[in-house]
Amino acid sequence: AQSVSQHNHHVILSEAASLELGCNYSYGGTVNLFWYVQYPGQHLQLLLKYFSGDPLVKGIKGFEAEFIKSKFSFNLRKPSVQWSDTAEYFCAVNAGNMLTFGGGTRLMVKP
Amino acid sequence: NAGVTQTPKFRVLKTGQSMTLLCAQDMNHEYMYWYRQDPGMGLRLIHYSVGEGTTAKGEVPDGYNVSRLKKQNFLLGLESAAPSQTSVYFCASKRTGEYTEAFFGQGTRLTVV
Repeated sequence: AQSVSQHNHHVILSEAASLELGCNYSYGGTVNLFWYVQYPGQHLQLLLKYFSGDPLVKGIKGFEAEFIKSKFSFNLRKPSVQWSDTAEYFCAVNAGNMLTFGGGTRLMVKP
Repeated sequence: NAGVTQTPKFRVLKTGQSMTLLCAQDMNHEYMYWYRQDPGMGLRLIHYSVGEGTTAKGEVPDGYNVSRLKKQNFLLGLESAAPSQTSVYFCASKRTGEYTEAFFGQGTRLTVV
């Protein structure tokens, strides 16, 4: 069965700082990878996804992620965060019929 | 379009009581999922369904049952609620295909006292 690990549980940044959130997965076959975001009091929304092709994928709101197959990683990045990026971020793997999520990273951006 | 709708949004149960959470989607999706969200543990899959009339166990199925009698609805049942089932429950649906995006409901906050 697949599993997903997110290294940082809580991250605090000042506005304009750069962001990188780590995500590692374990699964031996082909995977499809996602990052979802949950703003306070809201449901999860898709930020970006990777399923094939260019390992550097761009999503909404200036986010991007890089798939490194040899490291089983799919890290999320943003060059300059804003206060409105305060949210919880989840990495997810879809392999077979199951969609498995990591433990989440709470990001707080100080104005 | 409403997307994915969960009812109720909030509920308080006493230990031992039963209840059913309803998830309805209007996107004609084949796949539906029930997750629970607990602090520091992310979303854990309870049960899922790959089509009408089918269900399967996820990571944490104990204490829950599900049914998918109609394609658009996925019901999650708690037969005898326990305090450990206090959580926020999310339903999601998606089209067939591992690369497809899942759409989530707004969540149900359940407290078992």
